[in-house]
Amino acid sequence: DGGITQSPKYLFRKEGQNVTLSCEQNLNHDAMYWYRQDPGQGLRLIYYSQIVNDFQKGDIAEGYSVSREKKESFPLTVTSAQKNPTAFYLCASSQGVGGLALEQYFGPGTRLTVT
Amino acid sequence: AQSVTQLGSHVSVSEGALVLLRCNYSSSVPPYLFWYVQYPNQGLQLLLKYTTGATLVKGINGFEAEFKKSETSFHLTKPSAHMSDAAEYFCAVRFSSGSARQLTFGSGTQLTVLP
Repeated sequence: DGGITQSPKYLFRKEGQNVTLSCEQNLNHDAMYWYRQDPGQGLRLIYYSQIVNDFQKGDIAEGYSVSREKKESFPLTVTSAQKNPTAFYLCASSQGVGGLALEQYFGPGTRLTVT
Repeated sequence: AQSVTQLGSHVSVSEGALVLLRCNYSSSVPPYLFWYVQYPNQGLQLLLKYTTGATLVKGINGFEAEFKKSETSFHLTKPSAHMSDAAEYFCAVRFSSGSARQLTFGSGTQLTVLP
């Protein structure tokens, strides 16, 4: 089945540690995204990538880093510089080029808890 | 600034009653519009979308939405609520002047269905 996988489902880390969240898609989509979700705040865009080896900051990129070495993979690293990293993280992808990209497809999410 | 507003962070309806979830956007140019549903601790699933053409759009699970340009609205409706409809619903907009890849999400509406 085609889709987006995120691992792990739940992740626990101590404050001060970097942590990497995995996102893999087999939809052959060009673009991939990372969102952060907090209660009552909807989804906020962290980073997005339209093509391999290229990515752009979203609205809340501080304290996060990404890479896009392969079309199907877009890992997100939450660094120790992120002041409030506990949240639900969602990865998404979309197809198309230029102005044709429309809906985004989402993975199941990773819930990160930092104590 | 372009924005998406969902009126009512929580909506409760009785089973069998009409579901109405409101979404308004701010833009002078008709955008592309989407509704997503999220069940607890899961990713987002696309319910329906409006791009061009017929303004009444039908989606999955019996939901539909109508694009009203004059009201800059895209409200989601379902004639008869089912217990399984209890979830959080997000309106999302791709503004024409924005990045070809980005969606702006509303803050979400939690739907409760009462027996």
